[in-house]
Amino acid sequence: DGGITQSPKYLFRKEGQNVTLSCEQNLNHDAMYWYRQDPGQGLRLIYYSQIVNDFQKGDIAEGYSVSREKKESFPLTVTSAQKNPTAFYLCASTRTGLRYSNQPQHFGDGTRLSIL
Amino acid sequence: GENVEQHPSTLSVQEGDSAVIKCTYSDSASNYFPWYKQELGKGPQLIIDIRSNVGEKKDQRIAVTLNKTAKHFSLHITETQPEDSAVYFCAATADKLIFGTGTRLQVFP
Repeated sequence: DGGITQSPKYLFRKEGQNVTLSCEQNLNHDAMYWYRQDPGQGLRLIYYSQIVNDFQKGDIAEGYSVSREKKESFPLTVTSAQKNPTAFYLCASTRTGLRYSNQPQHFGDGTRLSIL
Repeated sequence: GENVEQHPSTLSVQEGDSAVIKCTYSDSASNYFPWYKQELGKGPQLIIDIRSNVGEKKDQRIAVTLNKTAKHFSLHITETQPEDSAVYFCAATADKLIFGTGTRLQVFP
């Protein structure tokens, strides 16, 4: 079955530490996205990539970084500059990056990040 | 930019009853309105979507209605079952997808 795999499911970060969340898809989708989900809030876009080797900042990119070296992979690094990283992080993809907001998004099952 | 408001934040119904969740949006250019269901510890899953050239869409027990004039759209679930219990998110898009804050639906047997 095609889908999006996020790992790990749970992650703990120490002060001053960078951590990387993995997102892999086998849907052959061009575009991939990272969202942050906080209790009682909607999903907020961190970064997105419409095509390999290209990515754009979303609404809350500060303290995060991404790379898109392969079509299947879109890892997210939460840096020490992100002062409130505790949240549920969701990766998603769409078939194309053109008019991406008008396409159904396929989500992974998320990574829950907590501060130690 | 676009703003999406979703109500209610929680909804409890008896099994077999209907459930209605409402969303309003601000950008009249919005043209795509998906609904997602999120179960505990999982990612959101698309359950139905509607585009602005359509007023209503139905898929078995689930239906979505869109009123472009009033800028609101609603999710209707009929004959609810305990497995419908989850958090439901609406979203609207003009140039980017904006999500509502979610509705926690509980269906009691």
